[in-house]
Amino acid sequence: GQQLNQSPQSMFIQEGEDVSMNCTSSSIFNTWLWYKQDPGEGPVLLIALYKAGELTSNGRLTAQFGITRKDSFLNISASIPSDVGIYFCAGQLTSGNTPLVFGKGTRLSVIA
Amino acid sequence: EPEVTQTPSHQVTQMGQEVILRCVPISNHLYFYWYRQILGQKVEFLVSFYNNEISEKSEIFDDQFSVERPDGSNFTLKIRSTKLEDSAMYFCASSETSASSYNEQFFGPGTRLTVL
Repeated sequence: GQQLNQSPQSMFIQEGEDVSMNCTSSSIFNTWLWYKQDPGEGPVLLIALYKAGELTSNGRLTAQFGITRKDSFLNISASIPSDVGIYFCAGQLTSGNTPLVFGKGTRLSVIA
Repeated sequence: EPEVTQTPSHQVTQMGQEVILRCVPISNHLYFYWYRQILGQKVEFLVSFYNNEISEKSEIFDDQFSVERPDGSNFTLKIRSTKLEDSAMYFCASSETSASSYNEQFFGPGTRLTVL
């Protein structure tokens, strides 16, 4: 099946620092998504990307959909303690209501 | 704000027993999904359901699994004879149906299934 390679696996950063994580795939995805999962909760959508090369921001979060449609990065600026959690990239191979393929996640820890 | 709900939050069962996990999708959504997440691993797609039938399923979703929409609000996942490796967090999700390139899948809080 399709694989999304997400890195890094975990990060420990100081409050106020910027964070960057990325995902790559050998498959071309129609849509690329970034989710956050808090302990004991389900994934919550942060940013959705639809077009190759698209750069989208949501507050302190910025994500880009790679030109080749095979990669994406997520940046978090000026991290705060509530940014702690697991961040997942996910892709959809085709448009509409098709299954999501998830990366393995990046566990972010923020040290105050 | 409407949300997907799931019950129970935690289910413990003996190997070989049947379990039913329940979900109430967002009321105007017509597409429903089950995903699972084995502890420490990625979220994996199991099955999608639309118009009272399975739309897509993964290779994980074998004959031991079934889904049902027993009434107008609930969506269930049944595992007929649980195995140790079925222990995982099971997430239900739902989405609208529209011509959009992406219909956001809203996830429930999950049911943690522990098979002993």
